Amino acid sequence: GQQLNQSPQSMFIQEGEDVSMNCTSSSIFNTWLWYKQEPGEGPVLLIALYKAGELTSNGRLTAQFGITRKDSFLNISASIPSDVGIYFCAGPLLTGNQFYFGTGTSLTVIP
Amino acid sequence: GAVVSQHPSRVICKSGTSVKIECRSLDFQATTMFWYRQFPKKSLMLMATSNEGSKATYEQGVEKDKFLINHASLTLSTLTVTSAHPEDSSFYICSAPQTPGANVLTFGAGSRLTVL
Repeated sequence: GQQLNQSPQSMFIQEGEDVSMNCTSSSIFNTWLWYKQEPGEGPVLLIALYKAGELTSNGRLTAQFGITRKDSFLNISASIPSDVGIYFCAGPLLTGNQFYFGTGTSLTVIP
Repeated sequence: GAVVSQHPSRVICKSGTSVKIECRSLDFQATTMFWYRQFPKKSLMLMATSNEGSKATYEQGVEKDKFLINHASLTLSTLTVTSAHPEDSSFYICSAPQTPGANVLTFGAGSRLTVL
Protein backbone atom coordinates (compact mmCIF):
# COMPACT_ATOMS: atom_id res chain seq x y z
CA GLY A 1 0.00 0.00 0.00
CA GLN A 2 0.87 3.64 -0.07
CA GLN A 3 3.30 4.99 2.49
CA LEU A 4 2.58 8.23 4.24
CA ASN A 5 5.59 9.25 6.29
CA GLN A 6 5.01 11.21 9.44
CA SER A 7 7.54 13.04 11.53
CA PRO A 8 8.45 13.09 14.23
CA GLN A 9 7.70 9.52 15.22
CA SER A 10 7.24 10.53 18.84
CA MET A 11 7.24 13.68 20.92
CA PHE A 12 7.56 14.34 24.64
CA ILE A 13 6.61 17.89 25.55
CA GLN A 14 5.72 20.00 28.55
CA GLU A 15 2.15 21.04 29.09
CA GLY A 16 1.56 24.42 27.48
CA GLU A 17 4.04 23.96 24.66
CA ASP A 18 3.09 24.05 21.02
CA VAL A 19 3.39 20.94 18.84
CA SER A 20 4.06 20.57 15.16
CA MET A 21 4.01 17.39 13.11
CA ASN A 22 3.94 16.72 9.41
CA CYS A 23 3.08 14.12 6.85
CA THR A 24 4.56 13.54 3.41
CA SER A 25 3.81 11.21 0.54
CA SER A 26 5.29 10.39 -2.83
CA SER A 27 1.77 10.34 -4.28
CA ILE A 28 -0.81 13.05 -4.73
CA PHE A 29 -3.71 12.94 -2.30
CA ASN A 30 -7.24 14.08 -2.92
CA THR A 31 -7.96 14.94 0.69
CA TRP A 32 -5.85 15.11 3.81
CA LEU A 33 -7.31 14.04 7.11
CA TRP A 34 -5.86 14.17 10.59
CA TYR A 35 -7.02 11.64 13.18
CA LYS A 36 -6.21 11.04 16.83
CA GLN A 37 -6.21 7.57 18.32
CA GLU A 38 -6.20 6.69 21.99
CA PRO A 39 -5.23 3.23 23.27
CA GLY A 40 -7.77 0.54 22.47
CA GLU A 41 -9.97 2.88 20.46
CA GLY A 42 -10.60 3.65 16.84
CA PRO A 43 -9.26 6.87 15.28
CA VAL A 44 -11.30 10.02 15.72
CA LEU A 45 -11.33 12.72 13.05
CA LEU A 46 -9.75 16.03 14.04
CA ILE A 47 -9.50 18.02 10.82
CA ALA A 48 -10.30 17.44 7.15
CA LEU A 49 -8.58 19.35 4.33
CA TYR A 50 -9.97 19.34 0.82
CA LYS A 51 -8.04 21.89 -1.24
CA ALA A 52 -4.36 22.40 -1.92
CA GLY A 53 -3.13 25.28 0.22
CA GLU A 54 -6.13 25.10 2.55
CA LEU A 55 -5.48 26.13 6.14
CA THR A 56 -8.08 24.98 8.66
CA SER A 57 -8.40 25.35 12.41
CA ASN A 58 -10.36 23.39 14.99
CA GLY A 59 -9.90 24.94 18.40
CA ARG A 60 -6.23 24.66 19.32
CA LEU A 61 -5.52 22.58 16.22
CA THR A 62 -4.45 23.98 12.87
CA ALA A 63 -3.69 21.98 9.76
CA GLN A 64 -2.67 22.81 6.21
CA PHE A 65 -2.93 20.95 2.92
CA GLY A 66 0.33 21.38 1.02
CA ILE A 67 0.37 23.12 -2.33
CA THR A 68 1.88 20.06 -4.03
CA ARG A 69 -0.91 17.86 -2.56
CA LYS A 70 1.81 15.57 -1.23
CA ASP A 71 2.14 16.91 2.29
CA SER A 72 0.31 18.33 5.26
CA PHE A 73 1.12 19.60 8.73
CA LEU A 74 -0.77 19.66 12.01
CA ASN A 75 -0.07 22.13 14.80
CA ILE A 76 -1.41 21.95 18.34
CA SER A 77 -1.10 25.08 20.41
CA ALA A 78 -0.85 25.24 24.21
CA SER A 79 -0.86 21.47 24.69
CA ILE A 80 -2.77 19.90 27.57
CA PRO A 81 -2.53 16.40 29.09
CA SER A 82 -5.59 15.15 27.22
CA ASP A 83 -3.79 15.77 23.93
CA VAL A 84 -1.86 12.56 24.61
CA GLY A 85 -2.36 9.97 21.90
CA ILE A 86 -1.21 8.93 18.47
CA TYR A 87 -1.88 11.31 15.62
CA PHE A 88 -2.30 9.98 12.12
CA CYS A 89 -2.57 11.66 8.78
CA ALA A 90 -4.70 9.83 6.25
CA GLY A 91 -6.44 10.23 2.96
CA PRO A 92 -7.51 8.79 -0.35
CA LEU A 93 -5.26 8.89 -3.35
CA LEU A 94 -6.25 11.22 -6.15
CA THR A 95 -6.57 8.15 -8.35
CA GLY A 96 -8.72 5.96 -6.13
CA ASN A 97 -10.92 5.67 -3.08
CA GLN A 98 -8.73 3.58 -0.77
CA PHE A 99 -7.77 5.43 2.39
CA TYR A 100 -4.21 5.12 3.59
CA PHE A 101 -2.75 6.05 6.95
CA GLY A 102 0.49 7.67 7.94
CA THR A 103 3.06 6.07 10.19
CA GLY A 104 1.80 8.04 13.18
CA THR A 105 3.19 10.53 15.69
CA SER A 106 2.96 9.55 19.33
CA LEU A 107 2.47 12.56 21.60
CA THR A 108 3.16 12.57 25.32
CA VAL A 109 2.36 15.68 27.32
CA ILE A 110 4.11 16.03 30.66
CA PRO A 111 2.04 17.97 33.22
CA GLY B 1 -23.30 12.39 13.43
CA ALA B 2 -22.29 9.22 11.64
CA VAL B 3 -21.62 6.29 13.97
CA VAL B 4 -19.92 3.02 13.15
CA SER B 5 -20.32 0.16 15.58
CA GLN B 6 -18.04 -2.86 15.81
CA HIS B 7 -18.72 -6.12 17.59
CA PRO B 8 -17.19 -7.80 19.47
CA SER B 9 -14.77 -5.32 21.00
CA ARG B 10 -12.61 -8.14 22.31
CA VAL B 11 -12.46 -11.81 21.40
CA ILE B 12 -10.20 -14.63 22.47
CA CYS B 13 -10.23 -17.85 20.51
CA LYS B 14 -8.32 -21.06 20.14
CA SER B 15 -5.97 -21.64 17.27
CA GLY B 16 -7.76 -23.20 14.32
CA THR B 17 -11.15 -21.68 14.97
CA SER B 18 -12.84 -18.94 12.95
CA VAL B 19 -13.89 -15.57 14.29
CA LYS B 20 -16.42 -13.16 12.82
CA ILE B 21 -16.27 -9.41 13.43
CA GLU B 22 -19.23 -7.22 12.56
CA CYS B 23 -19.17 -3.61 11.44
CA ARG B 24 -22.42 -1.67 11.33
CA SER B 25 -23.24 1.84 10.21
CA LEU B 26 -25.88 2.88 12.72
CA ASP B 27 -27.46 5.96 11.26
CA PHE B 28 -26.38 5.98 7.66
CA GLN B 29 -25.97 3.65 4.72
CA ALA B 30 -22.53 2.55 3.63
CA THR B 31 -22.04 1.07 0.19
CA THR B 32 -18.33 0.89 0.96
CA MET B 33 -16.55 0.00 4.16
CA PHE B 34 -12.85 -0.34 4.84
CA TRP B 35 -11.13 -2.91 7.06
CA TYR B 36 -7.84 -2.11 8.72
CA ARG B 37 -5.44 -4.07 10.85
CA GLN B 38 -3.23 -2.49 13.47
CA PHE B 39 -0.30 -3.97 15.37
CA PRO B 40 0.79 -2.50 18.72
CA LYS B 41 2.31 0.95 18.35
CA LYS B 42 1.98 0.73 14.57
CA SER B 43 -0.14 2.43 11.97
CA LEU B 44 -3.36 1.20 10.46
CA MET B 45 -2.83 -1.03 7.46
CA LEU B 46 -5.61 -1.19 4.91
CA MET B 47 -6.62 -4.80 4.39
CA ALA B 48 -9.56 -4.55 2.05
CA THR B 49 -12.38 -2.45 0.71
CA SER B 50 -15.77 -3.99 1.32
CA ASN B 51 -18.36 -3.32 -1.37
CA GLU B 52 -22.07 -3.85 -0.80
CA GLY B 53 -23.43 -6.52 -3.08
CA SER B 54 -20.11 -7.40 -4.68
CA LYS B 55 -16.74 -8.86 -3.89
CA ALA B 56 -14.32 -7.10 -1.61
CA THR B 57 -11.16 -5.58 -3.02
CA TYR B 58 -8.11 -6.81 -1.13
CA GLU B 59 -4.82 -5.02 -0.74
CA GLN B 60 -1.69 -6.71 -2.01
CA GLY B 61 -0.43 -9.34 0.40
CA VAL B 62 -3.75 -9.87 2.19
CA GLU B 63 -5.02 -13.44 1.91
CA LYS B 64 -8.58 -13.48 0.62
CA ASP B 65 -9.26 -16.97 1.90
CA LYS B 66 -7.92 -16.09 5.31
CA PHE B 67 -9.85 -12.88 5.78
CA LEU B 68 -13.33 -13.35 4.38
CA ILE B 69 -15.31 -10.17 3.92
CA ASN B 70 -19.03 -10.03 3.32
CA HIS B 71 -21.04 -6.85 2.77
CA ALA B 72 -24.56 -8.18 2.46
CA SER B 73 -26.46 -5.02 3.32
CA LEU B 74 -26.00 -1.27 3.25
CA THR B 75 -25.40 -1.19 6.99
CA LEU B 76 -23.39 -4.33 7.70
CA SER B 77 -19.99 -5.65 6.71
CA THR B 78 -18.38 -8.67 8.33
CA LEU B 79 -14.78 -9.83 8.53
CA THR B 80 -14.22 -13.50 9.26
CA VAL B 81 -10.75 -14.61 10.25
CA THR B 82 -10.69 -18.26 9.21
CA SER B 83 -8.58 -20.93 10.89
CA ALA B 84 -7.05 -18.32 13.13
CA HIS B 85 -3.48 -18.64 14.35
CA PRO B 86 -1.57 -16.64 16.96
CA GLU B 87 -0.02 -14.42 14.28
CA ASP B 88 -3.54 -13.27 13.39
CA SER B 89 -3.81 -11.66 16.82
CA SER B 90 -4.26 -7.96 16.21
CA PHE B 91 -6.54 -4.95 16.47
CA TYR B 92 -9.03 -4.89 13.59
CA ILE B 93 -10.84 -1.64 12.79
CA CYS B 94 -13.55 -0.93 10.28
CA SER B 95 -14.60 2.39 8.84
CA ALA B 96 -17.08 3.89 6.42
CA PRO B 97 -17.48 7.16 4.55
CA GLN B 98 -19.97 9.43 6.25
CA THR B 99 -21.76 9.79 2.95
CA PRO B 100 -21.25 7.72 -0.23
CA GLY B 101 -18.13 8.85 -2.00
CA ALA B 102 -17.18 11.22 0.81
CA ASN B 103 -13.52 11.70 1.55
CA VAL B 104 -13.92 11.46 5.30
CA LEU B 105 -14.10 8.18 7.19
CA THR B 106 -15.82 7.39 10.46
CA PHE B 107 -14.20 4.57 12.40
CA GLY B 108 -15.50 1.88 14.65
CA ALA B 109 -13.97 1.40 18.08
CA GLY B 110 -12.04 -1.64 16.90
CA SER B 111 -11.98 -5.33 17.77
CA ARG B 112 -9.08 -6.87 19.69
CA LEU B 113 -8.48 -10.45 18.55
CA THR B 114 -6.28 -12.73 20.60
CA VAL B 115 -5.61 -16.21 19.26
CA LEU B 116 -4.26 -18.67 21.79
